[in-house]
Amino acid sequence: AQRVTQPEKLLSVFKGAPVELKCNYSYSGSPELFWYVQYSRQRLQLLLRHISRESIKGFTADLNKGETSFHLKKPFAQEEDSAMYYCALSGGRGSTLGRLYFGRGTQLTVWP
Amino acid sequence: KAGVTQTPRYLIKTRGQQVTLSCSPISGHRSVSWYQQTPGQGLQFLFEYFSETQRNKGNFPGRFSGRQFSNSRSEMNVSTLELGDSALYLCASSLKRDSPLHFGNGTRLTVT
Repeated sequence: AQRVTQPEKLLSVFKGAPVELKCNYSYSGSPELFWYVQYSRQRLQLLLRHISRESIKGFTADLNKGETSFHLKKPFAQEEDSAMYYCALSGGRGSTLGRLYFGRGTQLTVWP
Repeated sequence: KAGVTQTPRYLIKTRGQQVTLSCSPISGHRSVSWYQQTPGQGLQFLFEYFSETQRNKGNFPGRFSGRQFSNSRSEMNVSTLELGDSALYLCASSLKRDSPLHFGNGTRLTVT
């Protein structure tokens, strides 16, 4: 069964420090992984999609199939990065991206 | 381009009543998905519609139902409301099968 685990409910760092938000998944096939972000009083929005291999707002995430992880990283955190971050999984080939399995989220706070 | 619009923003209902929530997707998007968000269970998939057909259904009781109209607008209905149905209900739309989701602001349902 598909499952996404975000072990940290809360994460605090100082501005300029590196940040890593952890995500582990459980899925037997080839998943598609995403990071969604929700800034205060805004809607949930897509941050990263693993197949895009992009860097968005300085964030990157690498899919590690061996460790079944998709950690989100940024070398220098900014105060505007403070938000709730959700890792999500889609069931891969043949599945639709409308059905996502979400982790419980990590609230990131970046202190000045 | 207008985002996903959900109405109403807030609803208060009594146990045993039924409720209908509405979602207007981004213009041109044909796929609509619904999610329930609660503090206890996080974000959980309800159902997905594409071209008026239900494509996927989550693990929710039959009291939860939905439909999609020819203009891609979608409604979800919850009958015989229970206290545990109190949640934020999110609608998301996507352009096509392999496109990422765009979320609305949600409808906050409170059942008393």
